[in-house]
Amino acid sequence: AQKVTQAQTEISVVEKEDVTLDCVYETRDTTYYLFWYKQPPSGELVFLIRRNSFDEQNEISGRYSWNFQKSTSSFNFTITASQVVDSAVYFCALSVPRGSGSEKLVFGKGMKLTVNP
Amino acid sequence: NAGVTQTPKFRVLKTGQSMTLLCAQDMNHEYMYWYRQDPGMGLRLIHYSVGEGTTAKGEVPDGYNVSRLKKQNFLLGLESAAPSQTSVYFCASSYRDSYGINYGYTFGSGTRLTVV
Repeated sequence: AQKVTQAQTEISVVEKEDVTLDCVYETRDTTYYLFWYKQPPSGELVFLIRRNSFDEQNEISGRYSWNFQKSTSSFNFTITASQVVDSAVYFCALSVPRGSGSEKLVFGKGMKLTVNP
Repeated sequence: NAGVTQTPKFRVLKTGQSMTLLCAQDMNHEYMYWYRQDPGMGLRLIHYSVGEGTTAKGEVPDGYNVSRLKKQNFLLGLESAAPSQTSVYFCASSYRDSYGINYGYTFGSGTRLTVV
């Protein structure tokens, strides 16, 4: 079975601080995909990134960066110089391909980030 | 705009009433999913479908039924609503390429359901 753990439930920072959101996953499969989604107060789910298990390169997109480490089964997300607009609930998720097509996205419980001005 | 459309966006039901949530996608995606989101629980999979005419149970299927009569639509039914089904419901769709890689996971904007 697959499992995603986001140990932090809520974080509050002051604008311009850097913040890292932790994600630890569990799977016995060697091929899998990891995702991060953002859910702003408006409620929709916004896709941020997808990473496959064979690509351990870190990724940077503007103020966002992701650190994927298979050795520790972690896929952490860092926001540099946080802004008020980053305030949201962030979800880490895992998907394992299945030949039968029965794969699905398994979510962590989410982490609420509040960025104060 | 292309994407996943959920109707209705909000609904209040009385205990015991029934209703159907509609999910429609216009991306020709093969796979569709229904999730529920509850505070502190993340999103949990209710049911999913790997193609027209097929459905399967997810993590929390009890009290719900689904149907996928057309590829573009995935319906979630509550036959006898209970207060425990108060939640935000999200539909999603995805597709798999020729290499078997699952892309997409496009989500609808959600349906906020309250059962009183």
